Amino acid sequence: GQNIDQPTEMTATEGAIVQINCTYQTSGFNGLFWYQQHAGEAPTFLSYNVLDGLEEKGRFSSFLSRSKGYSYLLLKELQMKDSASYLCAVKDSNYQLIWGAGTKLIIKP
Amino acid sequence: GAVVSQHPSRVICKSGTSVKIECRSLDFQATTMFWYRQFPKKSLMLMATSNEGSKATYEQGVEKDKFLINHASLTLSTLTVTSAHPEDSSFYICSASSERVTEAFFGQGTRLTVV
Repeated sequence: GQNIDQPTEMTATEGAIVQINCTYQTSGFNGLFWYQQHAGEAPTFLSYNVLDGLEEKGRFSSFLSRSKGYSYLLLKELQMKDSASYLCAVKDSNYQLIWGAGTKLIIKP
Repeated sequence: GAVVSQHPSRVICKSGTSVKIECRSLDFQATTMFWYRQFPKKSLMLMATSNEGSKATYEQGVEKDKFLINHASLTLSTLTVTSAHPEDSSFYICSASSERVTEAFFGQGTRLTVV
């Protein structure tokens, strides 16, 4: 079956750095996505990786290793507004998004 | 990025009635639309995938006759929850995609409460 694993919850301090890991086992691979979701709202797109390596976008970076079935989202200079759930999703061979359960990130002052 | 509009954002209905949720892609032609359901503190669960002009493909365990999906045009898909029951209360989200876009764009979501 298809499976995406990420930690359920993480806590970090304002101004610090946090890394959220995601491992996946899917039937085919057509890209990995990270989305941010605040409670009661729809997910918003953060990043997309289809080739191995690091993609940097401002305070957020995302890394992919296809051979290891592994990705991480790195958030720098954490702000209180970064408190949210972070969803890892993989597009499989049918171009369908398979979602992880999400990581709830709690930022403390 | 592309805009997907979902309406209504919140709806309260009585048990036994039907509710229609609309999902519109405002600035691109969405060949494929996805409907998700999300319970509190849980991940998005795909309910069905619809391609314009054809019948929706439902995920295992999702009742076709209860959750009617129509994708009549490249810019509009609707989800109708028929004979709603309190256990249907949830957050419903649509997303739209096409071959020309990499990511899926999401609507704002609809909070359905059945009383």
